[in-house]
Amino acid sequence: GNSVTQMEGPVTLSEEAFLTINCTYTATGYPSLFWYVQYPGEGLQLLLKATKADDKGSNKGFEATYRKETTSFHLEKGSVQVSDSAVYFCALPPTGGYNKLIFGAGTRLAVHP
Amino acid sequence: DVKVTQSSRYLVKRTGEKVFLECVQDMDHENMFWYRQDPGLGLRLIYFSYDVKMKEKGDIPEGYSVSREKKERFSLILESASTNQTSMYLCASSFPEELGEQYFGPGTRLTVT
Repeated sequence: GNSVTQMEGPVTLSEEAFLTINCTYTATGYPSLFWYVQYPGEGLQLLLKATKADDKGSNKGFEATYRKETTSFHLEKGSVQVSDSAVYFCALPPTGGYNKLIFGAGTRLAVHP
Repeated sequence: DVKVTQSSRYLVKRTGEKVFLECVQDMDHENMFWYRQDPGLGLRLIYFSYDVKMKEKGDIPEGYSVSREKKERFSLILESASTNQTSMYLCASSFPEELGEQYFGPGTRLTVT
């Protein structure tokens, strides 16, 4: 069935550094792909999504491109801020599951001034 | 703004107690979910409900049950709490047609001693 693998954290960066968080997936067909973010003390919230191959999702300066050749959906940001410190989750629907999501293990990002 | 609220942020219970976790959403969402979040394991789906009185087991339903008597409320029940159920519990809701866009509550950190 469908599955997702994220790079392990924590990722520690200085403010204004470039961010990449790797996410690769295994899937039947081409399901939509998602990035969620969890800020300290809060629930998850949808950050961005891509619904078909070669789509680029973007929000709040973050971007991710749906690459079917490499089965990847890496999250990037050109210049991180301290306020981006959070846990980031890659997600996709399970095989045949139209309302549910499978989440990766999460990658913790810590940005220091 | 969509609001998903959970009855407690922190809860401490003893082994063998019956525990109720409540979740309420105000967006008239058909779908509601209960997840548990553990370090290194990401989010794992416990139960899913797609309508009042309808439920479906997720990946780890053992030791849990759920109740959905009203559309806005979804309860998770630990019939006899055990120490391995110490975890963060997250509730979420969504419309069935908005694939992948789930709205999360802030979570309940449950400790079973």
